[in-house]
Amino acid sequence: QQQVKQSPQSLIVQKGGISIINCAYENTAFDYFPWYQQFPGKGPALLIAIRPDVSEKKEGRFTISFNKSAKQFSLHIMDSQPGDSATYFCAASGPTSGTYKYIFGTGTRLKVLA
Amino acid sequence: DGGITQSPKYLFRKEGQNVTLSCEQNLNHDAMYWYRQDPGQGLRLIYYSQIVNDFQKGDIAEGYSVSREKKESFPLTVTSAQKNPTAFYLCASIPDSAGSVYGYTFGSGTRLTVV
Repeated sequence: QQQVKQSPQSLIVQKGGISIINCAYENTAFDYFPWYQQFPGKGPALLIAIRPDVSEKKEGRFTISFNKSAKQFSLHIMDSQPGDSATYFCAASGPTSGTYKYIFGTGTRLKVLA
Repeated sequence: DGGITQSPKYLFRKEGQNVTLSCEQNLNHDAMYWYRQDPGQGLRLIYYSQIVNDFQKGDIAEGYSVSREKKESFPLTVTSAQKNPTAFYLCASIPDSAGSVYGYTFGSGTRLTVV
């Protein structure tokens, strides 16, 4: 009930390609699904987030696709650039057991080749 | 600019020594969190605090202690009871924990190494 499963663990994409990272959650009470970007030696930074009342959210080259029935969401990075090389974490948040929980995926290390 | 400041950036601990990691925020956020990050693993919650003078254990609290005497500050002490403390430690905050629709603001982290 508390897990967020993220895949793949690592991803190599050519410059200009599409990077796709997937996450699956179990707790239907989750109501906020953010993605974080982390560069080496830095803290994660919020990249984009979605609520379950919409199926897609786009910000620039970054898009979240959300499938409520399948309890899955994914990050798409269009026109991937070498500067996008980082570790990406999905997360899910919502009320559970009387408090709000924030559960992170295990991360995807993305490398974009120039 | 508002944000979270973690210090030091690098910290070395000798066997049997307690060390304290600093976390300060000027965002006026109520809730603060400490996470541990190990290579190839996700973020694991150590402790969190929703209000001043109150804090709760996370998933891996053993060997750690915290205090929340001021809203702005949430220091983490890694005690000698923590047998494998080498990791990257991240402090984070959100405006309040009553609602879930907030993204975390993270600090830049402290890398702790046992020597």
